[in-house]
Amino acid sequence: AQSVTQLGSHVSVSEGALVLLRCNYSSSVPPYLFWYVQYPNQGLQLLLKYTTGATLVKGINGFEAEFKKSETSFHLTKPSAHMSDAAEYFCAVIPNSGNAPLVFGKGTRLSVIA
Amino acid sequence: DAMVIQNPRYQVTQFGKPVTLSCSQTLNHNVMYWYQQKSSQAPKLLFHYYDKDFNNEADTPDNFQSRRPNTSFCFLDIRSPGLGDAAMYLCATTYSLNTEAFFGQGTRLTVV
Repeated sequence: AQSVTQLGSHVSVSEGALVLLRCNYSSSVPPYLFWYVQYPNQGLQLLLKYTTGATLVKGINGFEAEFKKSETSFHLTKPSAHMSDAAEYFCAVIPNSGNAPLVFGKGTRLSVIA
Repeated sequence: DAMVIQNPRYQVTQFGKPVTLSCSQTLNHNVMYWYQQKSSQAPKLLFHYYDKDFNNEADTPDNFQSRRPNTSFCFLDIRSPGLGDAAMYLCATTYSLNTEAFFGQGTRLTVV
C-alpha cells in the first residue's frame, strides 16, 4: 500500500530562517503528492500538490516543494519562516492509479521562534 | 465562502448516547469522506462515498455509520460513543478519487 513518511514529528526554526519539512513516499510508480497545513482546531488546507509536469511546485504562503523521483521525496520548503507559519503540516499521497483515497503521513509540527 | 461546512464545530455527547455529525458541500463533488483525527495524530480515514457507493475502511468499527442522502450532504453517526471516540472529525470532498481534497473546519467531539 502507498504510504508517506515524514521525518521529524516536531521542527523548530527561528523567524526568518529556512523551513524544511521532509516527506518520503513509498512507491515504484510516482504517486500524486500533496502538502496540507492544519492550524489548531481547524480543518486541513491544501498548500500545494504534484501530479505531473514540473517537479518544482509552488504553493500558497510562500511554500514550495520539489518532487525528486530518484530520492522518492517531496520535501516542503520556505525561504523565510514567519510566526504565522506555526502549524501542523501533513504530507499526503494518492496512488497514481487514482483508485484509492488520500493517505496522510503522521504530520510535522512546525514551531517558529521569535 | 465556505465550500465544505461541518456542523456543529463542537459537540459534547454522553457516553453511549447516539450522536450525528453533519457535513455539507457546495462544490458538487462526487466523493465525500469522513476522517477521525485524535490529538497529535494524522487524520485516519473511516469511510467514503463515491456518489451513492459506500466504501468502508476495513478497520472502521461498526459503531460508526454514515449516510449520504444526496450529493450535498453526508452524515456521520456514532451509535454508542465511547470515551475513545473523542476526537476531531473531519469531512472532506473531492471531485474524483485522484484530485485534491477540500476539508471542512472539523467537529470536535467530546464524550462525557
